[in-house]
Amino acid sequence: DAGVTQSPTHLIKTRGQQVTLRCSPKSGHDTVSWYQQALGQGPQFIFQYYEEEERQRGNFPDRFSGHQFPNYSSELNVNALLLGDSALYLCASSLEGTVYEQYFGPGTRLTVT
Amino acid sequence: AQKVTQAQTEISVVEKEDVTLDCVYETRDTTYYLFWYKQPPSGELVFLIRRNSFDEQNEISGRYSWNFQKSTSSFNFTITASQVVDSAVYFCALSGTLISSGSARQLTFGSGTQLTVLP
Repeated sequence: DAGVTQSPTHLIKTRGQQVTLRCSPKSGHDTVSWYQQALGQGPQFIFQYYEEEERQRGNFPDRFSGHQFPNYSSELNVNALLLGDSALYLCASSLEGTVYEQYFGPGTRLTVT
Repeated sequence: AQKVTQAQTEISVVEKEDVTLDCVYETRDTTYYLFWYKQPPSGELVFLIRRNSFDEQNEISGRYSWNFQKSTSSFNFTITASQVVDSAVYFCALSGTLISSGSARQLTFGSGTQLTVLP
């Protein structure tokens, strides 16, 4: 039973560029949430996708956008990268839009130079 | 709005000592869930426990125990006879139960406590 997978593992981008991160949920899960974890901080909720729609959004600018595909996998897109976007991006999957049993992936480490 | 406070930024203990990690939370939801996660250096968040706000019974799982006190809005985590492998960052988190307000759709994390267990 595959858990949550994310790709790539690490990524280095230049300020102003755009990036796409990918996530495949745990088998049987239909909901994907994304979190940003800056160094030394706790994860911050970005948004949640359920039934291919953004259901909930945290306090992040429109530069952060996402998508969920019919197979429940998801992408996180960040445009016009800033140095402050450097962080570990965590994907979590769960059922039916809730977080009671949310499983996290290993994360993608994004560095913006 | 929900908030989780972990006042202890770093804790260092010697192996076999007991250690308690503190967590204080704020929420307007009448029912909610509290969580503890462990994050080893690899970065992946490992789920440890979930508690429903209705259930204030303390829980013990091996060397781990949790003390939930609704009256003080605290959910503390104790590791008994700590081991070097317990070294990690530990996060306390909170979610509500209201789909309409969105509180059920996100976890609010504290800033974490770095636990170092020395041999």
